Amino acid sequence: DAKTTQPNSMESNEEEPVHLPCNHSTISGTDYIHWYRQLPSQGPEYVIHGLTSNVNNRMASLAIAEDRKSSTLILHRATLRDAAVYYCILRDDNRGSTLGRLYFGRGTQLTVWP
Amino acid sequence: DTAVSQTPKYLVTQMGNDKSIKCEQNLGHDTMYWYKQDSKKFLKIMFSYNNKELIINETVPNRFSPKSPDKAHLNLHINSLELGDSAVYFCAAQDGFISGNTIYFGEGSWLTVV
Repeated sequence: DAKTTQPNSMESNEEEPVHLPCNHSTISGTDYIHWYRQLPSQGPEYVIHGLTSNVNNRMASLAIAEDRKSSTLILHRATLRDAAVYYCILRDDNRGSTLGRLYFGRGTQLTVWP
Repeated sequence: DTAVSQTPKYLVTQMGNDKSIKCEQNLGHDTMYWYKQDSKKFLKIMFSYNNKELIINETVPNRFSPKSPDKAHLNLHINSLELGDSAVYFCAAQDGFISGNTIYFGEGSWLTVV
């Protein structure tokens, strides 16, 4: 499985932007970059995903490096509800060995201070 | 209206018992999963089904038997429960095995074996 590396923890103040980094130096050309988050006592929740271009949605933005070896999840204005573990995951459902699997690492625990 | 619902949410049972966790999704998707989150918070895939057919069995002991009576349901039956089976079990659903598609998770079932 293609691996990702994230910081164990990050902190932010409420209403400030947060940039969550992810390194994936062994990414293949067909790997999608997905971000999920897990709020306390809840199941993982989809945040955003992308392949090559930067992506925006109502929850966040995803900035993908030109060489695709790293990406950054951007929360534009952190709220207390954004406190969660954020997982950066590579997916390629065209590769038989990884079909349908999400490989969750340890993720980044984001703490948001009021 | 919850997209992926699991029952029970909490289950405490004795070693050696047999128990089931039920999962239902109302998304109309044809792919469903079971994931396990252990005490160290690692999330790992256990099984996946596509149109009621087993696609992934991630070296799970055969005491664990998933059953999919129809596309909307994927139940997990566990025989002869062991202490090490204590974990949070998450059901999930996806619209086919496509890298860009979102996986929707349930809220989890907390299993404690005593």
